[in-house]
Amino acid sequence: GIQVEQSPPDLILQEGANSTLRCNFSDSVNNLQWFHQNPWGQLINLFYIPSGTKQNGRLSATTVATERYSLLYISSSQTTDSGVYFCAVGDPSNDYKLSFGAGTTVTVRA
Amino acid sequence: GAGVSQSPSNKVTEKGKDVELRCDPISGHTALYWYRQSLGQGLEFLIYFQGNSAPDKSGLPSDRFSAERTGGSVSTLTIQRTQQEDSAVYLCASSPVAGEQFFGPGTRLTVL
Repeated sequence: GIQVEQSPPDLILQEGANSTLRCNFSDSVNNLQWFHQNPWGQLINLFYIPSGTKQNGRLSATTVATERYSLLYISSSQTTDSGVYFCAVGDPSNDYKLSFGAGTTVTVRA
Repeated sequence: GAGVSQSPSNKVTEKGKDVELRCDPISGHTALYWYRQSLGQGLEFLIYFQGNSAPDKSGLPSDRFSAERTGGSVSTLTIQRTQQEDSAVYLCASSPVAGEQFFGPGTRLTVL
């Protein structure tokens, strides 16, 4: 199956700092999503972005499908941004089947 | 509008018992998915429904696991003769025919 690698595994930020999270995947995809898992375990949809660039407030994401990576940018981080960020991609043959990376654990300190 | 809901939120059971986990998808979503999140395996796909049929059951870990969906809406995941390795958070998601998936809050299953 498709391999998904996220980096870095852990990130500690001071409030107000900017950061970039990366997701590499091993095959072409038609489906890519970024999620934030909050402390209660809920997966919050951030972006559905199989290609291109999107922005939502302080967050933005870019997927370069031809080079098999996606980036999530967090600007002016806040303590509420803490949690685990997951990248998930659809299997090339069955793009409904999401394969998740191991996640990036972000800790934002006040 | 309402999101995906799951019940119970927590379930503690004894090894060997059967459990049923329920998922109510977003109204109008025809596709429904079950995933499992465990410490050792991360988030893994279990099963996919399109309407009431399950064209992909490839992620179910053993024949103790089964799922059904009725009326194109509610789905039930059943685990028979639970084992300790079944302890995990079971997540349900739904989507329109295809595309972006939206997840419920999960059911945390603990098998003693």
